Amino acid sequence: SQELEQSPQSLIVQEGKNLTINCTSSKTLYGLYWYKQKYGEGLIFLMMLQKGGEEKSHEKITAKLDEKKQQSSLHITASQPSHAGIYLCGADASGTYKYIFGTGTRLKVLA
Amino acid sequence: EAGVAQSPRYKIIEKRQSVAFWCNPISGHATLYWYQQILGQGPKLLIQFQNNGVVDDSQLPKDRFSAERLKGVDSTLKIQPAKLEDSAVYLCASSLNRGEQYFGPGTRLTVT
Repeated sequence: SQELEQSPQSLIVQEGKNLTINCTSSKTLYGLYWYKQKYGEGLIFLMMLQKGGEEKSHEKITAKLDEKKQQSSLHITASQPSHAGIYLCGADASGTYKYIFGTGTRLKVLA
Repeated sequence: EAGVAQSPRYKIIEKRQSVAFWCNPISGHATLYWYQQILGQGPKLLIQFQNNGVVDDSQLPKDRFSAERLKGVDSTLKIQPAKLEDSAVYLCASSLNRGEQYFGPGTRLTVT
C-alpha cells in the first residue's frame, strides 16, 4: 500500500526564518494536497499539485511537486507566528479511490 | 457558503457505551469522508461515500463501527461498543468529486 512520509516531524523556527517541509511517497503521486491543521480543529486546504514540476504559491507559502512525482516540498518564506500548526500532505493513493495522509509536521514559530 | 458542520464537538463516554457523530457536508458536495485522527498521527480514512453509496470502507472496523448517508446529504458515524483505543478526533470532510477536501471542526472522543 502507498505511504506518505513527512519530514521533519516537528520544527521550531524563529519568526522571519524560512523553512521547508517534505512529503515523500512510496509510489507515484497522481494528486498531492497540502493542508494545515491547528490544534483541536479541522484541516484547511492550502494547495493541490498534479503535474510533475508544478509549483504553486499562496501568500508566503510555496509548494512544489518534483518531476518524478514522488516527492513534494512546502516552503514558507519569512515565517510568522500565524504559520504555526500542523502541516499535512494528502494524496490519492495510486490505483485506488483511497485518500491517504502523511503523519504531519508540527511547526512552531517563536516571536 | 456554509462549511462542513459536525456535532457534537466533544464527547466523553465509558468503554462499551455507544456514541454517534453527525456531519452535514457543504451543499452540493457529492463525496463525504469520515476520518479517524489519533493524537500525533495523520487522519486515517474510515469510510468514503459518493452520494449515498459507499466507495471505500476497507479501514472501517465493521464489528463496531457503522456509517450511513441517507439521501446523499448528511451522515452519521456510530461506534458500538466503544473501546479505549477509539479515543481520537473524528473528522468529516466533503468534496465536489475528488480533489481538495473541506473539513469540519471534528469531534473529539474520549473513551474512559
